[in-house]
Amino acid sequence: DGGITQSPKYLFRKEGQNVTLSCEQNLNHDAMYWYRQDPGQGLRLIYYSQIVNDFQKGDIAEGYSVSREKKESFPLTVTSAQKNPTAFYLCASSVAGQSYEQYFGPGTRLTVT
Amino acid sequence: AQTVTQSQPEMSVQEAETVTLSCTYDTSESNYYLFWYKQPPSRQMILVIRQEAYKQQNATENRFSVNFQKAAKSFSLKISDSQLGDTAMYFCAFIHMDSNYQLIWGAGTKLIIKP
Repeated sequence: DGGITQSPKYLFRKEGQNVTLSCEQNLNHDAMYWYRQDPGQGLRLIYYSQIVNDFQKGDIAEGYSVSREKKESFPLTVTSAQKNPTAFYLCASSVAGQSYEQYFGPGTRLTVT
Repeated sequence: AQTVTQSQPEMSVQEAETVTLSCTYDTSESNYYLFWYKQPPSRQMILVIRQEAYKQQNATENRFSVNFQKAAKSFSLKISDSQLGDTAMYFCAFIHMDSNYQLIWGAGTKLIIKP
């Protein structure tokens, strides 16, 4: 079955530690996205990548970093510089040039204490 | 700035009733798409329905339909014969096709279907 996987579903970290969230897709999509979701708010774009080895900042990229070494994978690192990292993180992918049809993964809930 | 506004934080209806969720958006562009996404308690984001701005005909998907009023920048979602499984957060979203391809999201409406 084609789809997007995010692991783990729940992640706990101590303040001051970097943490990497996994996102893998087998849809053969060129474009991938990372969103952050907070209670009472819509999704906000962190980073997106239209092609391997290239990515762009979204609205709230500060304190986050990404890499895109493989088409299938787009990991997100939440660094200690992120002031409020506790949130729900969603990964999505789309065919290049068709960002109007994004497919979402199941998400990762990150809690930092 | 492009924005999406959902004025109803929470709604509840009885099973089998019809419910309409409101969404307004602000853009100066003419080439865009509008979406309604559903996020059930599992938190998986699911596309419910999509509307291309250049199409005058309102999109429909089974029990889900939209009322797209381009001049008023309004994009409401109607759910007919509501079912318990429709209980979820519903998000309205917008994407402008000629610039940065970024989805702009509303804050969501929590819909509760009561048995």
